[in-house]
This record gives sequence, C-alpha cells and structure tokens, in this order.
Amino acid sequence: DGGITQSPKYLFRKEGQNVTLSCEQNLNHDAMYWYRQDPGQGLRLIYYSQIVNDFQKGDIAEGYSVSREKKESFPLTVTSAQKNPTAFYLCASSNQDANTGELFFGEGSRLTVL
Amino acid sequence: AQSVTQLGSHVSVSEGALVLLRCNYSSSVPPYLFWYVQYPNQGLQLLLKYTSAATLVKGINGFEAEFKKSETSFHLTKPSAHMSDAAEYFCAVSDSSGYSTLTFGKGTMLLVSP
Repeated sequence: DGGITQSPKYLFRKEGQNVTLSCEQNLNHDAMYWYRQDPGQGLRLIYYSQIVNDFQKGDIAEGYSVSREKKESFPLTVTSAQKNPTAFYLCASSNQDANTGELFFGEGSRLTVL
Repeated sequence: AQSVTQLGSHVSVSEGALVLLRCNYSSSVPPYLFWYVQYPNQGLQLLLKYTSAATLVKGINGFEAEFKKSETSFHLTKPSAHMSDAAEYFCAVSDSSGYSTLTFGKGTMLLVSP
C-alpha cells in the first residue's frame, strides 16, 4: 500500500536534547512538508521541499532543521533551540505534477518535552 | 497572500441534524480549496476539493461544499449528522498554480450528540 509513514508515533524528550522525527513516503511524490499542530491553532508550516537536496523555510522554521537527501525521506530535527517543542507533528507529501495542491498526510508524531 | 477563516472553533449538532461548517478565504489568484478531516491522534484525510470545475463539490461520507466566489466562501455541509462524523475539520486554500503551499484554517471541532 502506498502512503506516508511517520515514526515514532510518541516521543518524550528532556529539555536540551535534539530529536529527529522520521518521515518516509512511497507515493513517488516530489514535494514533502512538515507541519506543527497545536490545539486551536490549526496547522503551521515548518519546512517544505519540492525537490531532492532543496528545501524552504515555512512560517515557523526557527529551532527546526530538515534534510532531503532522498526523494522518499524528509526527516525533521527538533533542536534544543526550539523554545516550545511539545506538539503534534505532521508530515505530508504532494504530487506537483497533479497541479492541485492536494496533500497526503502521515499519522503524526506526538512530541512531549519533560 | 492567502488566508482562511473558519467561523466557530466548536460546532455541536444532534445526530440526524444538518451539519454546516463555515469557511471563508482570501486569495489574490483563483484558489484551490480543500476540506480535510482529522480524527483524534491521526493525520488529516481529504474530504473534498474544489479545483475550478463544478462549484458544488461532493466528497466522501456524504459531505459536500459549494464554492461561492462572490462571498469568498466554501462552507461544508452534510444533510444528516452521524455519530462517526465527530472529528476536527480543516479548511485550506492554495493558489491555482499547484506549486504553492496550503494555508490552513484553525479548525472546527464537530461534536455530535445522540
């Protein structure tokens, strides 16, 4: 089955630690995205990548980093510089050739900072 | 620039009643519009999308939405609510190039009572 796999589903971190969230897709999509979701705030874009080895900052990129070495993979690192990292993180992908902007989402990773 | 406003962070209906979730958008170019649904601790799932074809769009689970350019609206409706419709609903907009990122509203939680 084609889809997006995020791992881990739940993650706990101590303050001052970096953590990396995994996102893998087998939909052959060119574009991949990371969103952060907080209660009552909707989804906010952290980073996105439209092609391998290239990525762009979204609205709330501070304290986060990404890489896009393979088409299938777009890991997100939450660094110790992120002041309030506890949130639900969603990875998505889209087929730019379809020209509709529709996103396909993973099931999310919930990060809690202790 | 594009933006989305969802009126009402929570909407409560009785089972069998009409569901109406409101979405207004702002876009400087012809928009693509989407409604997504999210069940607890899961990713988002596409309900329906408007991409400049028919203004009345039918989606999954009996939902539909009507694009009204004069009102800059894309409200989501369902004639008869079911308990399984209880979830959070997000309206989103992208520009018609398909290469922009989606901008999401803050979401509306639909509560269905027996």
